[in-house]
Parts: sequence; structure tokens; C-alpha cells
Amino acid sequence: QSVLTQPPSVSEAPRQRVTISCSGSSSNIGNNAVSWYQHLPGKAPRLLIYGDDLRPSGVSDRFSGSKSGTSASLAISGLHSEDEGDYYCVARDDNLNGPVFGGGTKLTVL
Amino acid sequence: QVWLQESGPGLVKPSEILSLTCSVSSGSISTYYWSWIRQPPGKGLEWIGQIYDSGDTDYNPSLKSRVTISVDRSKNKFSLRLSSVTAADTAVYYCARYRRSPSSRRVDYYYYYMDVWGKGTTVTVS
Repeated sequence: QSVLTQPPSVSEAPRQRVTISCSGSSSNIGNNAVSWYQHLPGKAPRLLIYGDDLRPSGVSDRFSGSKSGTSASLAISGLHSEDEGDYYCVARDDNLNGPVFGGGTKLTVL
Repeated sequence: QVWLQESGPGLVKPSEILSLTCSVSSGSISTYYWSWIRQPPGKGLEWIGQIYDSGDTDYNPSLKSRVTISVDRSKNKFSLRLSSVTAADTAVYYCARYRRSPSSRRVDYYYYYMDVWGKGTTVTVS
């Protein structure tokens, strides 16, 4: 069982917007910044968001992150079929001195 | 552009030692933190541990008694050693660069994230 809680799956039509939630506690999301990763089949995980809402260079502005208290969200707008894959939230946990992961959310573009 | 490449045996016998190496393509391995993460079949990602530029390490408590992460600065590589493996250690193993960056918005606040990942290597314990 993962420390951070994500919905197992979400789905939405092309060109629409979808959000993925991530719930944690005071020792992780509540006290540390959240990062989000895209994991497409057969590929390396890719950093989408860090610092709760910051995009690395090269990441599309269709991806956005937010955080409130001990919960965070990833929003993906203008969905493409190429966005289909798994998405993970991660935050450092003060008790672990290392990162904890969400269980991953499988995105299906209908 | 930095890239990472995992290497090591794809098949390990139960009770033996799993050893993997991550090669860092460029830049100094000494100026960053480095992590190992794994994904068992059908499951999510799990942090194994990391090594800091100081050489200090942190490990997932669930694996701590069996894990050693080390770095070879002369070869720009870092390694994972997992002892007494069982079928539960069957997974895709990833190495990643683990960043600690100061926030521009809060004093004494840092962002932690993995910005470069290897493609992963499958290890089966059987």
C-alpha cells in the first residue's frame, strides 16, 4: 500500500481536461513540495512538475500542478492520445528522509 | 544532457545478491544525489535508497537491512547491492538523479525531485 493516495484510474476524451489527485499527510505533502511523473509504457519515468507547480524546461504548459494542505493535484489540459500512461505523485517524507510515492494513476484518453 | 544507464544480471537466484550499476553519461557524479527505485510487476514505484555527494546514504526502512548503495567517482557510476533476494524482489529497477534545489519562494525550503531517470532494467528472482 502506497503512502500517498491516488485514484487508480481516470479517463477523459481528447482535447478535454483531467485532474489527478494525490493525498498525503503532514510528514510528506504537508511539509514538502510535490513532484509529478509521467510513465509511459516501456519508457523511463519523466518529471512533469516539481516544487508543487513548477515545470521543468521542455514540459508542455498543458501540465500544471497545485497543492493545498496535505493534498496535491495534477491537471492535464488539451488531452492527446499520447498522454495515455501512468502518473505518479511523489513527496519527500520527513520520517523517511527520502521520497514516498503515490500508487500511480492510469490515464486513458477515450 | 545527462543520461543514465542501468546494467546488471537479469536473472538472480533466490537468497543470492542482486547487483546493479548505473552509469552516468556526463558531468560530475559527485555534485548530485543518486537514487534507486523499483517497480514490481503490476505495482507502483518504490524508493529503495539514495546516496549523497558526501557519500552518506539513506535507505527505505523496509529494505535497509539488505541494501547497500555505493558510488565509484572515478568511473562516474553508482551501484545497488541487494542481498538475500526473494521472488518479491522481482522488479524493474531504475536509477535516477535526485535533486535538492533551494526554493525561490521560501527561505530554508528545498525542492526534492528526480529529474533524470534511466530506462530501467528488469531483474527476475527465480
